[in-house]
Amino acid sequence: EVQLVESGGGPVKPGGSLRLSCAASGFTFGTNSMNWVRQAPGKGLEWVSSISSSSNNIYYAESVKGRFTISRDNAKNALFLQMNSLRVEDTAIYFCTRDYDSFALDFWGQGTLVTVSS
Amino acid sequence: QSVLTQPPSASGTPGQRVTISCSGSSSNIASNYVYWYQQLPGTAPKLLIYRFTQRPSGVPDRFSGSRSGTSASLAISDLRSEDEADYYCAAWDDSLSAYVFGPGTKVTVL
Repeated sequence: EVQLVESGGGPVKPGGSLRLSCAASGFTFGTNSMNWVRQAPGKGLEWVSSISSSSNNIYYAESVKGRFTISRDNAKNALFLQMNSLRVEDTAIYFCTRDYDSFALDFWGQGTLVTVSS
Repeated sequence: QSVLTQPPSASGTPGQRVTISCSGSSSNIASNYVYWYQQLPGTAPKLLIYRFTQRPSGVPDRFSGSRSGTSASLAISDLRSEDEADYYCAAWDDSLSAYVFGPGTKVTVL
């Protein structure tokens, strides 16, 4: 059974940093691209970043470019999102998602809440 | 402002067919795959449709997708109470080099 479990969320002040993690199991992690998608409270979905299976191709939403860094450790079946210079508008639930086929995001974690507030 | 547009709401009675539209442009829907996701209240989104018309295992054939030019549609036939949810379209945008979601459509079963 495919499982994605996010961790690392919590409260942080504007300008602060957080590192999100996603532990993957139930599939061959190193063969799939992975993504982070976020959802602000009461709002729609916003794609954040994507990383290919071998980390060769990485993409970011314009809203996080230069502040967030996606990475992965295939040996540990883990996906990460380093978030720096956090802003109030980064407040959201962050979902880790598996890319089944060219951005068909077929499995989602339960999400981890990041709250940026002074 | 999303580059993909969806109606904010749609509704129907049980058994009816409901269609949700997703309008984009030449840099996204017209040139790349379109995906549809369902998000039930309080849960993570679920992939409904990929590659315009394909359904993942377990998704009933009451859900179907289509594309024509710069627009795509999701049809829900034989509407059921458990279909009450938010529905999002998504596509890769070549101009933005980004994966974009529509704003979502809330489906209500009357």
